[in-house]
Amino acid sequence: KNEVEQSPQNLTAQEGEFITINCSYSVGISALHWLQQHPGGGIVSLFMLSSGKKKHGRLIATINIQEKHSSLHITASHPRDSAVYICAVMNYGGATNKLIFGTGTLLAVQP
Amino acid sequence: KAGVTQTPRYLIKTRGQQVTLSCSPISGHRSVSWYQQTPGQGLQFLFEYFSETQRNKGNFPGRFSGRQFSNSRSEMNVSTLELGDSALYLCASSHGNQETQYFGPGTRLLVL
Repeated sequence: KNEVEQSPQNLTAQEGEFITINCSYSVGISALHWLQQHPGGGIVSLFMLSSGKKKHGRLIATINIQEKHSSLHITASHPRDSAVYICAVMNYGGATNKLIFGTGTLLAVQP
Repeated sequence: KAGVTQTPRYLIKTRGQQVTLSCSPISGHRSVSWYQQTPGQGLQFLFEYFSETQRNKGNFPGRFSGRQFSNSRSEMNVSTLELGDSALYLCASSHGNQETQYFGPGTRLLVL
């Protein structure tokens, strides 16, 4: 079993829909990252969070440490949101920036 | 500030050759991590350097090595290339511990 699981693996939505991507992990973590990867490979860090909730524009990320679960929400989705969204956790342990990645969620938003 | 840069962006090599990839972190960042991305295995951690010292290594064979220079620039080297080493190699930098990582555009390596 992977240490970081994401669901769904693939998601197709219509423009304007509310989208949720889920991430569950089984290891102790100090922080969780949500990353976005567009075709061509470039990765952008969307959020890094260790508790509660963060919001940036139409994106919202939440984490429940007790349940070892995080969600990424996209409100009013747009075709430009089409990308792979990757959840990654940073192992608890201080002097490290090592990330363990989920397998990613491929999102396609249709106009 | 300029972002993380990686060179070269694309590379074609043949089995048995060796390759060196370069990563220049954001100015002031002391940590550089390297990752391999393949369709089959996804993103996997290779190693991390902090202030010229390797402080973490992933589960990759000894053919994969790296180093970091005093200006925080980092290189990774893969010797005796195998077909399975074909991948996108990404580096990411951060200022210190447990902080947001900023990714470079990656080097796409094809081994024939």
